[in-house]
Amino acid sequence: GAGVSQSPSNKVTEKGKDVELRCDPISGHTALYWYRQSLGQGLEFLIYFQGNSAPDKSGLPSDRFSAERTGGSVSTLTIQRTQQEDSAVYLCASSWQGTGANVLTFGAGSRLTVL
Amino acid sequence: DQQVKQNSPSLSVQEGRISILNCDYTNSMFDYFLWYKKYPAEGPTFLISISSIKDKNEDGRFTVFLNKSAKHLSLHIVPSQPGDSAVYFCAASVGQAGTALIFGKGTTLSVSS
Repeated sequence: GAGVSQSPSNKVTEKGKDVELRCDPISGHTALYWYRQSLGQGLEFLIYFQGNSAPDKSGLPSDRFSAERTGGSVSTLTIQRTQQEDSAVYLCASSWQGTGANVLTFGAGSRLTVL
Repeated sequence: DQQVKQNSPSLSVQEGRISILNCDYTNSMFDYFLWYKKYPAEGPTFLISISSIKDKNEDGRFTVFLNKSAKHLSLHIVPSQPGDSAVYFCAASVGQAGTALIFGKGTTLSVSS
């Protein structure tokens, strides 16, 4: 597609429920990233996928968080047993492998509210 | 520990004047720095980048300056316009494509007409 697409744009859930957030990256981009922005905070790195390599999961805050990328394209971020502190905007980005600065193109984000 | 710091949460500037947004970093291994702009309810959009081997990069009204010895960079917007009002994030990375960016907490710029 023309840009990075994320769904849902808004999700309200109850504490303890599982949620899935979806990201459809730009066609041809080999790298895909998940970040989150909590209220008043910067963008916190969660996980990234690069081609067929093992993902870099170093930013995942707990084992309740997981992500997969199927067929080198669409990615799903899953949060199990959600907690109130998981409330944030979850941003997906993609980039292509080239020289120079790694310019990430972001989606509009999925706003998660855990009640 | 924050590796990328934006110590000013907000900045107010009059239209037509210069806006200067600052960013400090701690990791001397960073070799690329980027600035992103974010409007409410939208994802961040890329503005301008600079390699660590340079000290200045200019693109239209936007100029980024890098002072490696001070581990400091700044974004200058001249002249500032009301449409520039947004949150500006500084980001850095080690290596080229494929590595995750590390972001600061952002500075909210308000340009009044």
